[in-house]
Amino acid sequence: SAVISQKPSRDICQRGTSLTIQCQVDSQVTMMFWYRQQPGQSLTLIATANQGSEATYESGFVIDKFPISRPNLTFSTLTVSNMSPEDSSIYLCSVGAYQETQYFGPGTRLLVL
Amino acid sequence: QQQVKQSPQSLIVQKGGISIINCAYENTAFDYFPWYQQFPGKGPALLIAIRPDVSEKKEGRFTISFNKSAKQFSLHIMDSQPGDSATYFCAASIAAGTASKLTFGTGTRLQVTL
Repeated sequence: SAVISQKPSRDICQRGTSLTIQCQVDSQVTMMFWYRQQPGQSLTLIATANQGSEATYESGFVIDKFPISRPNLTFSTLTVSNMSPEDSSIYLCSVGAYQETQYFGPGTRLLVL
Repeated sequence: QQQVKQSPQSLIVQKGGISIINCAYENTAFDYFPWYQQFPGKGPALLIAIRPDVSEKKEGRFTISFNKSAKQFSLHIMDSQPGDSATYFCAASIAAGTASKLTFGTGTRLQVTL
């Protein structure tokens, strides 16, 4: 399995500001994903981030709101831009390991006031 | 359109009992079906997964049963323990041998009582 860390683990932000979330993996992986989990809800994919190519966004998510960087095979960032209270959520990165297997990080808990 | 339906929403089972969570999918292109376990304040942890070429997979106390014709799969937790109390998510993807977008069910909150 892969060991995944995220920073920050939680944050409280003011509306209109931006927050960048970091995801670090202990091994090189091709596939990285960013998900959102609203309180008490299921997980929804925001985008797929592969090294060396532009991130692919799911319906309802746009690059201007959630810009993603993937500078190498062990690291990615997700920025939540111009935040509103509706962005309060848990943001999770995951990585593709062996074949279809996908492991998740511990998540970043974001509260927007 | 929700592509993976999960039931029940919550489940209470006595210690030593069998916990059963069911999922149904619509997209016949799905070819990978994992189950994740999530404790409060933690990220989802992969529990067990199955591909549609087998009807059952067992790992310890956890078993996935898969019915391709009915487009249904279920998680059975045998000899349920209080430490199994968590939220369980089924998921599905069109994997074709590599990690890809997971479509999650709505989750089942399991409580195992003494």
